[in-house]
Amino acid sequence: EAGVAQSPRYKIIEKRQSVAFWCNPISGHATLYWYQQILGQGPKLLIQFQNNGVVDDSQLPKDRFSAERLKGVDSTLKIQPAKLEDSAVYLCASSLDTGFYGYTFGSGTRLTVV
Amino acid sequence: AQTVTQSQPEMSVQEAETVTLSCTYDTSESDYYLFWYKQPPSRQMILVIRQEAYKQQNATENRFSVNFQKAAKSFSLKISDSQLGDAAMYFCAYRRPNSNSGYALNFGKGTSLLVTP
Repeated sequence: EAGVAQSPRYKIIEKRQSVAFWCNPISGHATLYWYQQILGQGPKLLIQFQNNGVVDDSQLPKDRFSAERLKGVDSTLKIQPAKLEDSAVYLCASSLDTGFYGYTFGSGTRLTVV
Repeated sequence: AQTVTQSQPEMSVQEAETVTLSCTYDTSESDYYLFWYKQPPSRQMILVIRQEAYKQQNATENRFSVNFQKAAKSFSLKISDSQLGDAAMYFCAYRRPNSNSGYALNFGKGTSLLVTP
């Protein structure tokens, strides 16, 4: 089966600019997650969708980050305006319902804010 | 909030030898799930092994096995007959029981494993 697709793979922007990341999960996976992985740390959950509804966005900095999954399939994560501390890898993952049998991750987008 | 601690930032093992990576976690739940993920330079997280807390038997997947000590809240990963391809970052992760607030993974900071010929 095809994996979780993410684009772009790399992005360099200046602070205060905006950026968007795209994720297409595995076909049939109802649950989609966005994680932020800062260099030297483990991934941290930003937002979790179940179909097109938000299940958990408690750690999403809502003043600058937004995410949507309009048709319950692919998703977009946006940062506006970006700060230096947003430099990280943004990982998308999907799971069949609750993730009991595991989660499938994409290769991530490495964002550098200069 | 549940915390996951990996106390070894880096580990080194010779090819064909055995290495154990440590992980401890903090939770007040009695039923949960634990995972080990491998992250090579390609950045894609790959599932290594998973353990359900209600199962007393330690999970095993080929050369990978865990030592799950529920009372001690410890979940270590043993890699036997290490291979060069095992070199990567390894993350321990906790997943809480199903709840209305979601079931995403909580990750530790990771252990970088170096495999030498």
